[in-house]
Amino acid sequence: DAGVTQSPTHLIKTRGQHVTLRCSPISGHKSVSWYQQVLGQGPQFIFQYYEKEERGRGNFPDRFSARQFPNYSSELNVNALLLGDSALYLCASSSGQDHQPQHFGDGTRLSIL
Amino acid sequence: SQKIEQNSEALNIQEGKTATLTCNYTNYSPAYLQWYRQDPGRGPVFLLLIRENEKEKRKERLKVTFDTTLKQSLFHITASQPADSATYLCLPGGGSTLGRLYFGRGTQLTVWP
Repeated sequence: DAGVTQSPTHLIKTRGQHVTLRCSPISGHKSVSWYQQVLGQGPQFIFQYYEKEERGRGNFPDRFSARQFPNYSSELNVNALLLGDSALYLCASSSGQDHQPQHFGDGTRLSIL
Repeated sequence: SQKIEQNSEALNIQEGKTATLTCNYTNYSPAYLQWYRQDPGRGPVFLLLIRENEKEKRKERLKVTFDTTLKQSLFHITASQPADSATYLCLPGGGSTLGRLYFGRGTQLTVWP
């Protein structure tokens, strides 16, 4: 079975631009979570979606938004990019039951110039 | 606010020894705690889950303990091997954290021959 897939794998943007990152969960998984990871830090929680509804939100500005589609895939959108948004963006899927493990993709490396 | 601390950012041990990693949390009461392994450039991979009513969990050379009184989890790798070198992350979840998934910053383990 295919794991969690993210696209693109790498992306370069300039300050002020907008970016959309995409995630396809493992088949049968109904929950998708997004994380931002900068070098030397653990993944920072951005959003969790379950059955197309936002279940949780981390401490990120409103420039960050996400949505989940009927097929359970998800997009993360970031507006008005800042240099500090440069990071690895990880997507994880799970069945949605609270204690179930997260299955991660290998992320999108976003660089802001 | 919720806080998760993992012991020293880096841990170096000799092959064959036992590695012990610590995860401490404050200001919340998770119902479970998960441990993940992350290799450079890859997404985290789930290793073990321990629930609040379990004292200890084992899987092959891995052992996890969970002390809700001390608000601490210990992660042990016995008979460590160079292939165990990676960053290990803890993720307390459920309970008062439902819907929000906050990782520790991780401990980078290096096992030298």
